[in-house]
Amino acid sequence: GQNIDQPTEMTATEGAIVQINCTYQTSGFNGLFWYQQHAGEAPTFLSYNVLDGLEEKGRFSSFLSRSKGYSYLLLKELQMKDSASYLCAVREDIGDSNYQLIWGAGTKLIIKP
Amino acid sequence: EAGVTQFPSHSVIEKGQTVTLRCDPISGHDNLYWYRRVMGKEIKFLLHFVKESKQDESGMPNNRFLAERTGGTYSTLKVQPAELEDSGVYFCASSQTGGNNSPLHFGNGTRLTVT
Repeated sequence: GQNIDQPTEMTATEGAIVQINCTYQTSGFNGLFWYQQHAGEAPTFLSYNVLDGLEEKGRFSSFLSRSKGYSYLLLKELQMKDSASYLCAVREDIGDSNYQLIWGAGTKLIIKP
Repeated sequence: EAGVTQFPSHSVIEKGQTVTLRCDPISGHDNLYWYRRVMGKEIKFLLHFVKESKQDESGMPNNRFLAERTGGTYSTLKVQPAELEDSGVYFCASSQTGGNNSPLHFGNGTRLTVT
């Protein structure tokens, strides 16, 4: 079956580094997305990984290991505005050129001064 | 470029009433999706339009939910009659293509409360 796991909540200090993990079990894997969602706002796209390895984009990096069904989002030089929920979503091909996104429940990241 | 807009932002209705949610995708985006997030749970897919056609409606919970996208522009999601378990945040998202790495652009959501 389909399953995506990520921690419910994490706390980190301003200026530090935090890694948010996501593990998944799906069939027909075809990419993994990370989204950021501030309370009461729309999820916004952060990154997309489909090949193994690290994708770096400024202070944020995302890593994927397809063989392990594992991804992480790495946030460096944390700022107070990084306090948000971080959503892991796996794209799964369901045949006939169709796909669906399976979402994790999100990780609430709290940044403390 | 205007983002995805949803209306209303909040709606409080009584059980048995009808509510219609509206989504205006980013101009030129053929793909439009409806999602729902119940408090504390993960985002769940409802359905996917490509232009005016329903590409995938496998996530629609039951026949009390009706989605339309006449003309392939804005979309509506009607819940009739509403039940208590329909409460949650309904997100609309659009993307330009259905390609592998085409990110979704989300609206701010409609928070629906059924009392």
